Amino acid sequence: GQNIDQPTEMTATEGAIVQINCTYQTSGFNGLFWYQQHAGEAPTFLSYNVLDGLEEKGRFSSFLSRSKGYSYLLLKELQMKDSASYLCAVTPPRGYQKVTFGTGTKLQVIP
Amino acid sequence: DAGVTQSPTHLIKTRGQQVTLRCSPKSGHDTVSWYQQALGQGPQFIFQYYEEEERQRGNFPDRFSGHQFPNYSSELNVNALLLGDSALYLCASSFQGASDTEAFFGQGTRLTVV
Repeated sequence: GQNIDQPTEMTATEGAIVQINCTYQTSGFNGLFWYQQHAGEAPTFLSYNVLDGLEEKGRFSSFLSRSKGYSYLLLKELQMKDSASYLCAVTPPRGYQKVTFGTGTKLQVIP
Repeated sequence: DAGVTQSPTHLIKTRGQQVTLRCSPKSGHDTVSWYQQALGQGPQFIFQYYEEEERQRGNFPDRFSGHQFPNYSSELNVNALLLGDSALYLCASSFQGASDTEAFFGQGTRLTVV
């Protein structure tokens, strides 16, 4: 089975840096997605990590450690518009289709 | 380029009724996955359709069924609705059934069962 843990809520200040953690225990693993979801809207893709290490994309970076079953999403220079839920999702091995999402971390950015 | 479109956006049904939700994938995509997202939860995988066949199913009862048409659009049907079926239903499209490529989500259908 799949088990994914993320903090339920986080608060951070505009302009600051925040790290959202995700740990997973899975029977099979290919990679890990991060999605952003504003209230009432569809999730939108942020990153996909397959290999260990840090991938940077503008203000957002994502890290993966396959051996530790651990990932984090790093948001720099926080803006008010970054207030949203951040979902991590694990993809199965090739040939399988079920993507498993965590419950999401609701981030509130305050002035 | 139209993204993923879902209809209707909102729906209210009575317990015991049946409902059909529709999804048109992003242009160039041939695979549709359906998810149920309860309030405050992450999306839960219902099933995926590729080449007009259901390829994998999550932990959902047979009351949940689907279909994919030759133009790659898809329907999700739920029979004998329960109050617990109230949720946001998301459709995601991708290419060639791959689970490790970016999925594009529609805006969802908000289903309320009363």
